[in-house]
Amino acid sequence: EAGVAQSPRYKIIEKRQSVAFWCNPISGHATLYWYQQILGQGPKLLIQFQNNGVVDDSQLPKDRFSAERLKGVDSTLKIQPAKLEDSAVYLCASSPRSSGGIYFGPGTRLLVL
Amino acid sequence: AQSVTQPDIHITVSEGASLELRCNYSYGATPYLFWYVQSPGQGLQLLLKYFSGDTLVQGIKGFEAEFKRSQSSFNLRKPSVHWSDAAEYFCAVGATGGYQKVTFGTGTKLQVIP
Repeated sequence: EAGVAQSPRYKIIEKRQSVAFWCNPISGHATLYWYQQILGQGPKLLIQFQNNGVVDDSQLPKDRFSAERLKGVDSTLKIQPAKLEDSAVYLCASSPRSSGGIYFGPGTRLLVL
Repeated sequence: AQSVTQPDIHITVSEGASLELRCNYSYGATPYLFWYVQSPGQGLQLLLKYFSGDTLVQGIKGFEAEFKRSQSSFNLRKPSVHWSDAAEYFCAVGATGGYQKVTFGTGTKLQVIP
């Protein structure tokens, strides 16, 4: 079974630029998560989808971050414009409809200069 | 709101010694509980999970964890640590009602010395 796929793996941009990350969850997993992990900290949930609907985006900085999950499969997370404090690893994860733990992709490491 | 506390930021153990990583959670009912491991530059790998039933849970790589409701704890243990176990370990709590929201602790970094 293929795992959660993410791209790109690394990205370096300058502040005020925009960036987008892509995630393809494990086949059949209804729930998709985007987490932000700043160096030295635990992952922080940014947004959670159930199929193609948002069920939690309470910690998403909506003035600059956006995410979509068209057709309930893959997802894109965008930052526009980026700030220095957005430097982090962005982790995508998915889980099946029945609770079975969540499974993470390798992450995208973002550096904002 | 659910939350997780991992009181130890950094732990050092000798190879072959036993290990216990502490985790305390806050949740209004019996939660789902998880332990994840993250090696440098890698994503998070699920070590084990507790949903219900037996409070002693076996995981991969020889790890186990025990759910203690009275102490709101889910400590991770391993009887004999290997150098390859050096990594960061995250405890997480999942909501059992509605959608499965999973909240992570701040992590414990494990160093293994020869």
